[in-house]
Amino acid sequence: SAVISQKPSRDICQRGTSLTIQCQVDSQVTMMFWYRQQPGQSLTLIATANQGSEATYESGFVIDKFPISRPNLTFSTLTVSNMSPEDSSIYLCSVQILAAQETQYFGPGTRLLVL
Amino acid sequence: GQNIDQPTEMTATEGAIVQINCTYQTSGFNGLFWYQQHAGEAPTFLSYNVLDGLEEKGRFSSFLSRSKGYSYLLLKELQMKDSASYLCAVRDGGFQKLVFGTGTRLLVSP
Repeated sequence: SAVISQKPSRDICQRGTSLTIQCQVDSQVTMMFWYRQQPGQSLTLIATANQGSEATYESGFVIDKFPISRPNLTFSTLTVSNMSPEDSSIYLCSVQILAAQETQYFGPGTRLLVL
Repeated sequence: GQNIDQPTEMTATEGAIVQINCTYQTSGFNGLFWYQQHAGEAPTFLSYNVLDGLEEKGRFSSFLSRSKGYSYLLLKELQMKDSASYLCAVRDGGFQKLVFGTGTRLLVSP
């Protein structure tokens, strides 16, 4: 298995500000993803984080709103920019690891409330 | 497009057996996953099926029929702690990403 840590675990932010969420994994990672889970909903993929190049975004998500970095195999950041109350959600980092590529693990999530 | 359907909610009694169904229509397929998610927590991996048939893991079993676009998660000897949401997800063949269904909220009562 993999141990995935996310920082911060939760935050309350003001409208119009930005928040950067960090994801760190203790294993060799092949794929890294960012998901959003809005209250009472299932998980929606925001983007695939690519090492050393631009992330691959899903329909409805854009780089200006959700810039993503992945400077190495085991670390990634997601920024939620110019936040509005609609961005209140749980943001989850998810990975496939080299030792178990049939499995995808999730981090503990970052609970974001935008006022 | 991609479409993954699950019942929204199910109830069952402690000690009983429950089957949660998932049907899918996706452009690519490279495996089907089941996750358990307790309220306020991250999803926890339960099972992975890529070939047709039944995979058994303790009290939990998962079945896949690729020709029918159908899977189920079977939970036996239900315990109160099994009250959670159960998420079905399909891995897109080309891009390795997971697409999730809406999730099934299971309530186990005494």
